[in-house]
Parts: sequence; C-alpha cells; structure tokens
Amino acid sequence: AQKITQTQPGMFVQEKEAVTLDCTYDTSDPSYGLFWYKQPSSGEMIFLIYQGSYDQQNATEGRYSLNFQKARKSANLVISASQLGDSAMYFCAMREGKNQGGKLIFGQGTELSVKP
Amino acid sequence: EPEVTQTPSHQVTQMGQEVILRCVPISNHLYFYWYRQILGQKVEFLVSFYNNEISEKSEIFDDQFSVERPDGSNFTLKIRSTKLEDSAMYFCASSEPDTQYFGPGTRLTVL
Repeated sequence: AQKITQTQPGMFVQEKEAVTLDCTYDTSDPSYGLFWYKQPSSGEMIFLIYQGSYDQQNATEGRYSLNFQKARKSANLVISASQLGDSAMYFCAMREGKNQGGKLIFGQGTELSVKP
Repeated sequence: EPEVTQTPSHQVTQMGQEVILRCVPISNHLYFYWYRQILGQKVEFLVSFYNNEISEKSEIFDDQFSVERPDGSNFTLKIRSTKLEDSAMYFCASSEPDTQYFGPGTRLTVL
C-alpha cells in the first residue's frame, strides 16, 4: 500500500487565488512527521512546512499552511495568494517514528501551474 | 543562510565506470542522507548516515553503492560500476533534528 498518496497529478490556479494540494498518508505509528517540499523546474528540493503528529495546531509558514486532519490521515497544503513563482512540483513526505534521522517517504507529487 | 551543497551539478559517465558524488551538509547537522529521483518519478530514499555509520538503507542501496564521510565536512556517495538505470538526480540532505534540507542535486547520466 502507498504510504503517501497525492491524487492530483496536476493543478491550475489563477494568480492571487488560494489553492489546496491534497496529501493522504498511511501509518500505524503514533509518532510521525509530515513535510511539504517544492521542486521548481530548476530541480532543487525546497522545504516548505512541517507538521508533527502530536502538534495540536496546524502549521503555518507565511503563505503556506498545512490542513492537518489526523482522523482522516490527510495533510493538505494550502497556498494563499498564489504567485507565478509558485508554479512547481510539490511533494508531500512522511517520516515515521520518533527517531531523528528517519528516512522520508515521498508521494508522487502534484504539478502546480499558476496562471496570470 | 546555511545550505547543503553538491558537486558536480551534472555528471556524465559510461556504463561500468565508478562515480563519486559529493555533498557538503549544513555544518551543525548530524544526520545525512542520499535520495534519488529518476526523471518524472518520485523521490526515493537510498541511505541515511549518523555517527559515522549507515543507520538505514533501502533495497536500492546494494553492494554497488557506498557512502563515506572522509572528513569533517564532506559526505560522498560512490557507485562502483554504474548501470544505465542509475541515471537519475541524486540529492543529498542533512538534518538536525527533524527537517531535512536538500542540496541542489547532481544529475547523473549513464551512457
């Protein structure tokens, strides 16, 4: 079974609008971390936001917020006020367990295109 | 802001040749990783390294692969005898404690 599922291969959004990128995960470990990374066409992987499984509040970083619904095992990324520079691949990833240094398991990614 | 660096940015090699990909992790990080991304596919974990030894490796990381921290700053991935299917982007990452920061990647092309 897939550990991380991103069901939207591609998404379009109008500049200045908000967009939600979906991510569901599967784990039986009570302790885990969820991450979102951005990969522009230049290829680098840029860390955006982190949510721990025990965090009570949804994580936010500037225009990025993570809609964490633990019972549904979903960790959707919300980008507010989209900009042209947000056009990129977005990957959701999970680290299982409390251990520092655990591997990340990535989803297939969602390609976001921001229209002017 | 500190960042992970990788060299070279692009490496072209012949099948069967050895390659060494180099990384300089963020200086106060203790955990190091290699991932790869075959073109158009998701990022896959290869190996993690802590306290001068491998802490976890994937099925991909077979005897053809090895990692080393030869000094206090570099972290290397060696592929002993490259195959066509090793063509991919290879990312180094480091963390302390939770968030893994990635380098810009080395694109390896095996001909």
